Amino acid sequence: AQSVSQHNHHVILSEAASLELGCNYSYGGTVNLFWYVQYPGQHLQLLLKYFSGDPLVKGIKGFEAEFIKSKFSFNLRKPSVQWSDTAEYFCAVGGGYNKLIFGAGTRLAVHP
Amino acid sequence: GAVVSQHPSRVICKSGTSVKIECRSLDFQATTMFWYRQFPKQSLMLMATSNEGSKATYEQGVEKDKFLINHASLTLSTLTVTSAHPEDSSFYICSARDGRERGKLFFGSGTQLSVL
Repeated sequence: AQSVSQHNHHVILSEAASLELGCNYSYGGTVNLFWYVQYPGQHLQLLLKYFSGDPLVKGIKGFEAEFIKSKFSFNLRKPSVQWSDTAEYFCAVGGGYNKLIFGAGTRLAVHP
Repeated sequence: GAVVSQHPSRVICKSGTSVKIECRSLDFQATTMFWYRQFPKQSLMLMATSNEGSKATYEQGVEKDKFLINHASLTLSTLTVTSAHPEDSSFYICSARDGRERGKLFFGSGTQLSVL
């Protein structure tokens, strides 16, 4: 069965701390991976995506994610978080931008 | 950037009534729109894929007679929850695929439905 698992439901960090959010997936066929972010009161926005090529992908606002095929993982990282990174983060997998399967989300709270 | 407008953002209705949720792509044509449902602390679950001018494709377990989807134009899809029950209370989100940007998805802001 196709599924996405996000290990941390709630993460609390201080500013300048490093961030890593875990994402593991189960998916048959060619996999495309996404991280979406939802800031308080706003729409879901694409943070970064992996379709093919370099497994280390860089997204907006200093975020990056690494696709490790052998581990079925696509963890999101940022070396130094800011208060403005407070949001909910969703990992998703799908065939292109078609039927995406989302993880349950991780709420990140960054304290000044 | 591209914007998807979803209305209403919140609706409270009585059990047995029907509720319509609109999803509009404001500055692009969306041949395909998707409807998701999210329960608290759970994933967004895809309900159906809506293609302009044709019948929606529903995911397994989603009642098509209860969740009516209409995609009459390239910028508008509607989801109607018919004869709503308290268990239909949930957060509904639409997304629209922009054909110009390699099919990039843009999401609406969601609709919180509460059925009393």
